[in-house]
Amino acid sequence: AQTVTQSQPEMSVQEAETVTLSCTYDTSENNYYLFWYKQPPSRQMILVIRQEAYKQQNATENRFSVNFQKAAKSFSLKISDSQLGDTAMYFCAFMKPQTSGTYKYIFGTGTRLKVLA
Amino acid sequence: SQTIHQWPATLVQPVGSPLSLECTVEGTSNPNLYWYRQAAGRGLQLLFYSVGIGQISSEVPQNLSASRPQDRQFILSSKKLLLSDSGFYLCAWAKGDTIYFGEGSWLTVV
Repeated sequence: AQTVTQSQPEMSVQEAETVTLSCTYDTSENNYYLFWYKQPPSRQMILVIRQEAYKQQNATENRFSVNFQKAAKSFSLKISDSQLGDTAMYFCAFMKPQTSGTYKYIFGTGTRLKVLA
Repeated sequence: SQTIHQWPATLVQPVGSPLSLECTVEGTSNPNLYWYRQAAGRGLQLLFYSVGIGQISSEVPQNLSASRPQDRQFILSSKKLLLSDSGFYLCAWAKGDTIYFGEGSWLTVV
């Protein structure tokens, strides 16, 4: 069974600095997707970034980028120029398309990030 | 564009009472639908998912049930709530490779 591990329960970063959140996963599959979601205090889950496993190029979305190491099964999120609005819980997620047409998503336990003024 | 709504946003229910949380999706057809629970300080636990009307898969044995009476409607129910059912419940949909979440529902069982 696939698992997703986020080993950093809490992190903090100074405003305008860069922070990296770690995520590792375990799978024997070759075709899958990885995601980072943000959950601010409002509790609304927001997609931050996604990565297809077959793509070697790391995904980027403005200040957010990932370091995808497929062989090491690592998928870290880098936030550049951190802003106060980045304060949130961040979840790493794994998805493997099923032959039945189902998409099952497995989430890590989250990393609580606090951006300090 | 697609939207997802779930309600009620907050709910305080006594132990032993029934539960009904409802979720609807607009702007898409035949989505995969999901119910997740997020206990305090913990990650997201998949409770149920559905690939079509009347098709429900349960991930963990529990006091809850789910139904999909219409293509874009997903309902989470319980006949008798337990204290351990308290938590934050999230409905979500997916079509393709990305999952999108509703606003969530806080359930407190007292």
